[in-house]
Amino acid sequence: QVQLQESGPGLVKPSETLSLTCAVSGGSISRGYGWSWVRQPPGKGLEWIGQISHSGSTNNNPSLKSRVTISVDKSKNRFSLKLTSVTAADTAVYYCARHGGWHFDLWGRGTLVTVSS
Amino acid sequence: QSALTQPASVSGSPGQSITISCTGTSSDIGGYNFVSWYQQHPGKAPKLMIYDVSNRPSGVSNRFSGSKSGNTASLTISGLQAEDEADYYCSSYTSSDTYVFGTGTKVTVL
Repeated sequence: QVQLQESGPGLVKPSETLSLTCAVSGGSISRGYGWSWVRQPPGKGLEWIGQISHSGSTNNNPSLKSRVTISVDKSKNRFSLKLTSVTAADTAVYYCARHGGWHFDLWGRGTLVTVSS
Repeated sequence: QSALTQPASVSGSPGQSITISCTGTSSDIGGYNFVSWYQQHPGKAPKLMIYDVSNRPSGVSNRFSGSKSGNTASLTISGLQAEDEADYYCSSYTSSDTYVFGTGTKVTVL
């Protein structure tokens, strides 16, 4: 079955760029699904970060303004998140998720990213 | 975009039914039948329980049901079991072609 796995640095310095990758296994990333990133600060709720559609168009949470870039690498069957100018408020567990329509039907296990000097 | 509003906590005894509300606006819940619900146990990833207001994915117990009226969606858990103790989040598609989650509800089985 299809599985998602996040990877990337667990510690990022303030003002730097957070970069994460979500590897898709057991199925092709080009199969027509959309892909999203969702985060959860420690002890808090879920926040949608942004998505990339099967056609390659992207859309982000307005609260994150222009700090977010989401891209797909079809050759490596993975998609990525870049979040610039991070602060302590960006410390969270970051999840990648698949869109099965207008919902998230498959999730990665999540990866904790801490922003600290 | 503002988070959808959920009660912070709901509790019930085993076998009882509980309902979790999720209130939004006409730009999200009220405007589309694209409300979904997620269950999250501590330290685990969210799990899809309901999609498109009232549809259950394969493998999800029929004790879970969803509905919507106006700008408010609801998740009902009937025959409450100990394993249902978890955090629950609603989510909706929005008129800005984005997604918004609810504030989350902690369900406690007494």
